Amino acid sequence: DTAVSQTPKYLVTQMGNDKSIKCEQNLGHDTMYWYKQDSKKFLKIMFSYNNKELIINETVPNRFSPKSPDKAHLNLHINSLELGDSAVYFCASSPQWGSGNTIYFGEGSWLTVV
Amino acid sequence: QKEVEQDPGPLSVPEGAIVSLNCTYSNSAFQYFMWYRQYSRKGPELLMYTYSSGNKEDGRFTAQVDKSSKYISLFIRDSQPSDSATYLCAMKGKLIFGQGTELSVKP
Repeated sequence: DTAVSQTPKYLVTQMGNDKSIKCEQNLGHDTMYWYKQDSKKFLKIMFSYNNKELIINETVPNRFSPKSPDKAHLNLHINSLELGDSAVYFCASSPQWGSGNTIYFGEGSWLTVV
Repeated sequence: QKEVEQDPGPLSVPEGAIVSLNCTYSNSAFQYFMWYRQYSRKGPELLMYTYSSGNKEDGRFTAQVDKSSKYISLFIRDSQPSDSATYLCAMKGKLIFGQGTELSVKP
């Protein structure tokens, strides 16, 4: 069973479109994250939710809006897609919010904006 | 200056070689240090996790932390082709990753 699953795995879309990436974790974790990995492999945190509450919101354009309907799900909606949004987006989860917790990643969603 | 610096490589070694991967960091508040391995087209997976200065060994892998120099290392002994991946160091507080070093182990 996949612990952190995200869909779609691959997404090609045109500039200006709106798209969503969905994420679900079946680990019973309290905390979920969205990370962005660019073409140079830099992995940078975008958002973190703890028990459905937003706790990290890095400097991300407000075209990106996370939504957590429950603590097992954290979706990412992107409005008015731009070329620079092309990247791999990773969903992740950890048992709790805090320094000592291991973070488990999903397999990534490859977004290409053309 | 980036909070975490890691040589992106690529690094190519023959099978059986000892591999040394390194990261430096600037924030002395970091207390937890991790190495993640990321295979092509996959998500990062936790490889090693250390808290204190010193060495931690797990099979062929040794993680080393020197807090006084703000320097961490990952050593891979008897490297195998299956070790070919990108290795990312990470630091907590908020989890901050290095750029990742792409390693290729040639048979």
